[in-house]
Formats: sequence, C-alpha cells, structure tokens
Amino acid sequence: KQEVTQIPAALSVPEGENLVLNCSFTDSAIYNLQWFRQDPGKGLTSLLLIQSSQREQTSGRLNASLDKSSGRSTLYIAASQPGDSATYLCAVRGNTPLVFGKGTRLSVIA
Amino acid sequence: GAVVSQHPSWVICKSGTSVKIECRSLDFQATTMFWYRQFPKQSLMLMATSNEGSKATYEQGVEKDKFLINHASLTLSTLTVTSAHPEDSSFYICSARGQMYEQYFGPGTRLTVT
Repeated sequence: KQEVTQIPAALSVPEGENLVLNCSFTDSAIYNLQWFRQDPGKGLTSLLLIQSSQREQTSGRLNASLDKSSGRSTLYIAASQPGDSATYLCAVRGNTPLVFGKGTRLSVIA
Repeated sequence: GAVVSQHPSWVICKSGTSVKIECRSLDFQATTMFWYRQFPKQSLMLMATSNEGSKATYEQGVEKDKFLINHASLTLSTLTVTSAHPEDSSFYICSARGQMYEQYFGPGTRLTVT
C-alpha cells in the first residue's frame, strides 16, 4: 500500500528565504506526482504536476523535482513571501486515486 | 481549466439527521469521482470511488450504509451522510477525474454535527 511522507511537518521562515519541502513515497510505481497548496479551511489548489517520465516542473517561483527510483520529490520555493503561508500537500497517483501526505505547514514571517 | 464545484460549502446539522453534499464537474464530464475526508491538521483520506451508473467502491473502514454515494450523471455525484453523529464532523472534498487521469478538486464542504 502506497504511503506518502512529508518532512518537515511544519516550517517557519523569514520572508525572502529560499526553502525546500520534502516528500517521499514507498511505491515507486507511480504515474505522476502532484503538489497542492491548501489554505486554512479551504480546498486544494494544484501547484505542479510531474509525470513519472519527467524530472522536474517549474512554475514561477516554484520548482518541483521527482526522483521516481528513490521515491522522492522536493518542492523548492524561491524568495518566499508571506502570501506563501499555507499547507503544502504532496500526492502520488499509481493504480489508485491520489494518495496524500500529511502536508507541511509553512509560515513565512514578514 | 476544469472546474469542480461542491454544495453546500458548509453545513451544520443536528445529530441523527442526514446531510447531502453535491459535487459537480462544471465544464467536463467525469465518469469517475472520488470522495475524500479531512480531519483538522490531517491529510486527505480517500473514502470512496464513484463511477457513473454503478455502485461506489468504498475504502476499508468506511461504512457504505452510512455514507451513501450516488453518481447518477456524468457531471454529478452526491454524498449523503446518514444519521450523522458529531464524529462525522469533518471537511469533505470531492474530486473528478479528467480524461488524462488527472484529478480536479472541489472547494470542500465543512460539516459540523451538533
């Protein structure tokens, strides 16, 4: 059974810092990996989708990498801003619907 | 882009009553929809997979008689929480699968059972 782990569980950084969020998964037989953002009490916003054949995806200040063989992905956020404060969820899709990690709660302090 | 809506966005009900939550794919047809539940500060846990025109497939530990799912059309799936109890209070999020097997998520429904 696929399990997704995210480290750290929570992170607090000053504005302007670059930061890395980590995601690992136990079954490397995945079709894709997706990073989401969730604001308190809200639904999910898709940030980046990486297909299993890809190594990374970029969108603005966000860069996500995927190492399928080792079961790891990282989300890199450059020049963090207070508006980036949210919970970031990693999810993988194999032969099942998306399986989610518990998320990393990010606080960017002005 | 693909849009998924949910209604209501929040609901408060008394213990023992039933609540229906709707999930709609607004600009695409979805033969498969998924229902997730999220407790505070926890991740999303898949409850069931809903296929249009057939019975839903429930994850282990999810009571199918308590969480009734109906996927009557290619754009609508409903989740009915029957005889709700306070422990059913949670954030319920639906997701619709697109043609390339990507999943699009609704904004969620906050259920509070008093």
